[in-house]
Amino acid sequence: EVQLQQSGAELVRPGTSVKLSCKVSGDTITAYYMHFVKQRPGQGLEWIGRIDPEDDSTKYAEKFKNKATLTADTSSNTAYLKLSSLTSEDTATYFCTTGVAGPYYFDYWGQGVMVTVSS
Amino acid sequence: DIQMTQSPSFLSASVGDRVTINCKASQNINKYLDWYQQKLGEAPKLLIYNTNSLHTGIPSRFSGSGSGTDFTLTISSLQPEDVATYFCLQHNSGWTFGGGTKLELK
Repeated sequence: EVQLQQSGAELVRPGTSVKLSCKVSGDTITAYYMHFVKQRPGQGLEWIGRIDPEDDSTKYAEKFKNKATLTADTSSNTAYLKLSSLTSEDTATYFCTTGVAGPYYFDYWGQGVMVTVSS
Repeated sequence: DIQMTQSPSFLSASVGDRVTINCKASQNINKYLDWYQQKLGEAPKLLIYNTNSLHTGIPSRFSGSGSGTDFTLTISSLQPEDVATYFCLQHNSGWTFGGGTKLELK
């Protein structure tokens, strides 16, 4: 069975960047689009973007185009989300997710990683 | 970008009630609308994909309907374990979530 394991919680300073990982087990990462989703405390879900690890093509939501960078390492079966120029607005839980049964919906999720931006 | 408007934002219902949650898209999204359930402190869970297809292992009291711009999630008989926040997601053009509906027991 596919599992998504995310890296641990981060406390980071404003203005810096952070890189979050999402390791896929149970199958090869190149079989699926890998997506990342943001959830601010007590708020809704926001789709950030997706990467196709087969060819490294990416697609981002407009509001995250200058904030997020998605990459993938097929040798380690891991997808990455880098967030830059961090502000308090980036304090949130970030989930990775993918569609195993179908490429456009999300049937497998990571456990989420909390990123806190604070000086 | 396609905008998704979900209603109501908050819903209180009793065990056994029929519950409906709505999502309206800012433009035609065909059938490409999914529903997710998120319990406190957990990752979201897929309930229904492509408007009305029940995901594996999801109880049959959950159902979806709609097309074009207007969609509905129905819980036919509310159970205590259904207390959660529900989100719709369109994937006709990119991906956009609705704002969520928090469902509580009365």
